[in-house]
Amino acid sequence: RKEVEQDPGPFNVPEGATVAFNCTYSNSASQSFFWYRQDCRKEPKLLMSVYSSGNEDGRFTAQLNRASQYISLLIRDSKLSDSATYLCVVTYNDMRFGAGTRLTVKP
Amino acid sequence: GAVVSQHPSWVICKSGTSVKIECRSLDFQATTMFWYRQFPKQSLMLMATSNEGSKATYEQGVEKDKFLINHASLTLSTLTVTSAHPEDSSFYICSARDQASGRVYNEQFFGPGTRLTVL
Repeated sequence: RKEVEQDPGPFNVPEGATVAFNCTYSNSASQSFFWYRQDCRKEPKLLMSVYSSGNEDGRFTAQLNRASQYISLLIRDSKLSDSATYLCVVTYNDMRFGAGTRLTVKP
Repeated sequence: GAVVSQHPSWVICKSGTSVKIECRSLDFQATTMFWYRQFPKQSLMLMATSNEGSKATYEQGVEKDKFLINHASLTLSTLTVTSAHPEDSSFYICSARDQASGRVYNEQFFGPGTRLTVL
C-alpha cells in the first residue's frame, strides 16, 4: 500500500464549479498534513496546511480526519488559474507526497 | 517567504558524465535539506535527507555512491549524479526546512527544480 494515495484524476470542470479531492495515508503516526500545488514543470508550492479542526482560506477548504486517515480539499467557484496538480503531503520525520490529482478548469 | 534556488535549471549531458546540482537557501539557514526526484506524471520521491556537517541519509533503493550529496554549509547542498545514464533523466528538486520559522510546522521550501536529460 502506498504511504499517501490520491485519485490521479484528471478532473475537468467548468469555471465556477466546486471540486473536491481526497487523500488517504497509511502511517497513523503522521504529524503534519498539507496540500501543495504544482504547476507543470515547476516546483510544488504550499497551498495550505490541514488541521483536525478544518481550515478555510478563501475558496479553499481543507479537512483532516485522523481516525479514518483521510484528508480532503474543496475548491469552490473554480477559476481557470486553479488548473494544476494538487499534491497531498503527509509528514512524519520527512515529507511523503501523494502522486497528485490533476485539475483542469475550462471556460 | 523563504527562497530556495537551484542551479542549473536544466542540463543535458552525455551518458557516463557526472552532473552537479546546487541547492541554496537564500534568506534563511537550513540545517536540513532534502533531495527529491520526479519522473513524468509521478509523485515526488524522496531520495535523501542532507544534514549540514554530516553524512546524508539515503532512502531505500537510492545508490549513495551514484548520487553524492554534500551539505558543507547552512545554505548550500549539492547533489552529484555520477556516471549518469539515460534512466537518470528526471526532474530533481531540492527543499530546505526553515527551522526558525514558526509559521507552519515542518514546512519545507522547494527549489525550482533541475531538469536533467542524459543522452
